[in-house]
Amino acid sequence: DAGVTQSPTHLIKTRGQHVTLRCSPISGHKSVSWYQQVLGQGPQFIFQYYEKEERGRGNFPDRFSARQFPNYSSELNVNALLLGDSALYLCASSLPGQDTQYFGPGTRLTVL
Amino acid sequence: GQNIDQPTEMTATEGAIVQINCTYQTSGFNGLFWYQQHAGEAPTFLSYNVLDGLEEKGRFSSFLSRSKGYSYLLLKELQMKDSASYLCAVSLTSGTYKYIFGTGTRLKVLA
Repeated sequence: DAGVTQSPTHLIKTRGQHVTLRCSPISGHKSVSWYQQVLGQGPQFIFQYYEKEERGRGNFPDRFSARQFPNYSSELNVNALLLGDSALYLCASSLPGQDTQYFGPGTRLTVL
Repeated sequence: GQNIDQPTEMTATEGAIVQINCTYQTSGFNGLFWYQQHAGEAPTFLSYNVLDGLEEKGRFSSFLSRSKGYSYLLLKELQMKDSASYLCAVSLTSGTYKYIFGTGTRLKVLA
């Protein structure tokens, strides 16, 4: 079975631009969460979506938004990019009613 | 506030046993996870503890004490491939903030 997939793998943007990151969960998983991981730190929780509704939100500015589609895939959007947004963005999925999350390979975003 | 503490770095020898500790102060605790993360890769699930006690899974064991806000990950018969960062994470039942991760413990296994 395929694991969580994310695209693109790497991305380079300049300050002020916006970016869209994509995630496809493991088949049968209906919950998707997004994390930001800066080098040397643990992942920071951004959003959780379940059945297309936002179920959780971390301490990130409104420049960050996300949505989930009927097939349970998800997009993370970041507007007005800042240098500090450079990080590995991880997507994780989980089965309904279960806490255990499985992570995708991540998208490495570099903001110049 | 919500906080997870774990040592920044540890070093151990191939074939030895190492214990990585994690303490947490959170509200609405649901369960505690351990993940392994090799450099440049995504975290890989190792264990999930909800109840007090020890859970064993091959060379890896994880312990939880909810009353003490304490967990540890025990790695036995260390191998070179165990060199990685080990992340302690808590899932929360209250509020909109669902998961908190520690900063990770970088384990170096020496020959």
